[in-house]
Amino acid sequence: GEDVEQSLFLSVREGDSSVINCTYTDSSSTYLYWYKQEPGAGLQLLTYIFSNMDMKQDQRLTVLLNKKDKHLSLRIADTQTGDSAIYLCAERREGSYIPTFGRGTSLIVHP
Amino acid sequence: DSGVTQTPKHLITATGQRVTLRCSPRSGDLSVYWYQQSLDQGLQFLIQYYNGEERAKGNILERFSAQQFPDLHSELNLSSLELGDSALYFCASGGSTNEKLFFGSGTQLSVL
Repeated sequence: GEDVEQSLFLSVREGDSSVINCTYTDSSSTYLYWYKQEPGAGLQLLTYIFSNMDMKQDQRLTVLLNKKDKHLSLRIADTQTGDSAIYLCAERREGSYIPTFGRGTSLIVHP
Repeated sequence: DSGVTQTPKHLITATGQRVTLRCSPRSGDLSVYWYQQSLDQGLQFLIQYYNGEERAKGNILERFSAQQFPDLHSELNLSSLELGDSALYFCASGGSTNEKLFFGSGTQLSVL
């Protein structure tokens, strides 16, 4: 299997919360990241969490980390149509400077 | 705007040709990373440079090479191009701890 796994699609209604999930395999992961990818705009770093934390909140974004289960989630509150994009999860292992990315979850927000 | 500049945005070429992709990192960043994104492979790490020296190598083909110049800009050279090399190529830069990587908007390469 892949080192970082995400489901491919998520569809939500505008105004609802979105929860995007990610699982990773390496227990030595030190940093875990969420990036947003829109067409023609590259990858935008949304937020990241250090492995000694279990939660981080930044405005509408909440990141939850379960180290035991190697599970990371990104919750977007009050999802808007402008949040429609691909969200990529990434991990960086201890001793490495190279993030490994999941394939991304395509978030579709409909009215 | 991430501060990372990639040129060109689009490149169309033929099989067997050679192309050069260029990246200017954010001001002050010493590290440059190259990634390839394709539908079947996702985002794959190719190579990393730090202050002019190669630091890490990923799934980079022998037909591909890169370098980082004294002014810290980097170039990725792709030669003997094949149809399967068609992809989005990203450059990213990071600071001394590389805690955060900032990505450029990518170069879309189409090999016909």
